[in-house]
Amino acid sequence: DTGVSQNPRHKITKRGQNVTFRCDPISEHNRLYWYRQTLGQGPEFLTYFQNEAQLEKSRLLSDRFSAERPKGSFSTLEIQRTEQGDSAMYLCASSPGGFVSSGNTIYFGEGSWLTVV
Amino acid sequence: KQEVTQIPAALSVPEGENLVLNCSFTDSAIYNLQWFRQDPGKGLTSLLLIQSSQREQTSGRLNASLDKSSGRSTLYIAASQPGDSATYLCAVAPRTDKLIFGTGTRLQVFP
Repeated sequence: DTGVSQNPRHKITKRGQNVTFRCDPISEHNRLYWYRQTLGQGPEFLTYFQNEAQLEKSRLLSDRFSAERPKGSFSTLEIQRTEQGDSAMYLCASSPGGFVSSGNTIYFGEGSWLTVV
Repeated sequence: KQEVTQIPAALSVPEGENLVLNCSFTDSAIYNLQWFRQDPGKGLTSLLLIQSSQREQTSGRLNASLDKSSGRSTLYIAASQPGDSATYLCAVAPRTDKLIFGTGTRLQVFP
């Protein structure tokens, strides 16, 4: 079990460019979550998947953001036409089923840092 | 709208001290509350999870309590060590499968 893996760990991009982050969850974890964290703040929920189905999206996820989880394995988060306000750490997490009622532990990756210049 | 507040925002203590971190939330309709640790520039590690029906959880030198009716939780760290230096975040799970985080308490334990 290698944990939740995120790539790339750091990305510097020019405003207006598109970027894509990849997340590989712990194998057999059917829940996958994306959060965003800016300096000095706690993580903010973006979206989550149950297998390949995207079950909930935050209002923070504007039309420029899209997340996919084909085949219910890895997930990608794409940001189109990046803006300076998108600069943040994007965290991926997975859990073996929902944790709300079952109390399963959620495991976070190391995060992907995005800097938009 | 659920809001989570953590006090203090930062704390610096000498090694060996017992300390308490506080977390408060505005809506008591939660399924559980979790405490996480985050090292600088890193992801989060789950420390303790308290279900809404529970009052406390313990793991080693850590003890977390939950008073859902008053919207409060505390994380007690016994005999603090320099290796405990990190940011501690609390998060509540409302009636959906997502977490709402506080802004964290940045802890520094000096030798």
